[in-house]
Amino acid sequence: GDSVTQMEGPVTLSEEAFLTINCTYTATGYPSLFWYVQYPGEGLQLLLKATKADDKGSNKGFEATYRKETTSFHLEKGSVQVSDSAVYFCALSDWTGNQFYFGTGTSLTVIP
Amino acid sequence: DGGITQSPKYLFRKEGQNVTLSCEQNLNHDAMYWYRQDPGQGLRLIYYSQIVNDFQKGDIAEGYSVSREKKESFPLTVTSAQKNPTAFYLCASSIPPHTQYFGPGTRLTVL
Repeated sequence: GDSVTQMEGPVTLSEEAFLTINCTYTATGYPSLFWYVQYPGEGLQLLLKATKADDKGSNKGFEATYRKETTSFHLEKGSVQVSDSAVYFCALSDWTGNQFYFGTGTSLTVIP
Repeated sequence: DGGITQSPKYLFRKEGQNVTLSCEQNLNHDAMYWYRQDPGQGLRLIYYSQIVNDFQKGDIAEGYSVSREKKESFPLTVTSAQKNPTAFYLCASSIPPHTQYFGPGTRLTVL
């Protein structure tokens, strides 16, 4: 079945460091891919998405490119801030749109 | 403003008691979902509904029940049959195959 595997955390970075959180997927057909962010005690917020191969999603300095050849959707940011500290979830929506699959989440802490 | 609301934010349950978590959306979305999140873990699907008066079990439906009498509402009941209900519960909605949008969550604690 469809699934998402993302890099285990926790990840700790200094402010202004480069961030990469790896995400790979297994799916039949043509899934849509998402990154969500969760701050402590809150629900998930959509960070960015891509709906077809080679699409790049971007928001608030974060980027991820839908790579069908490597079945990946890695999250990157060039310079992290303390306010980026949160848990990040990679997710896919299967080709029917009826099922969502989430990774286990990666906790990021950015220190000043 | 459009969005998803969940209430209450915090809920306490005694052993053997049923409790109901509310989820309301005014986004006119057809599909609604309930997830459970345990500390340090990802999301697990409890139930989902794609249209009014219809719903399907997710991966961990045992001990839970839902109803979908109105498009905008999808309440979740945690029954006494759920032996370990302490968790963070998240409701979401979408128009498939598009993005799921999440509510702020309800934290349930068993006393």
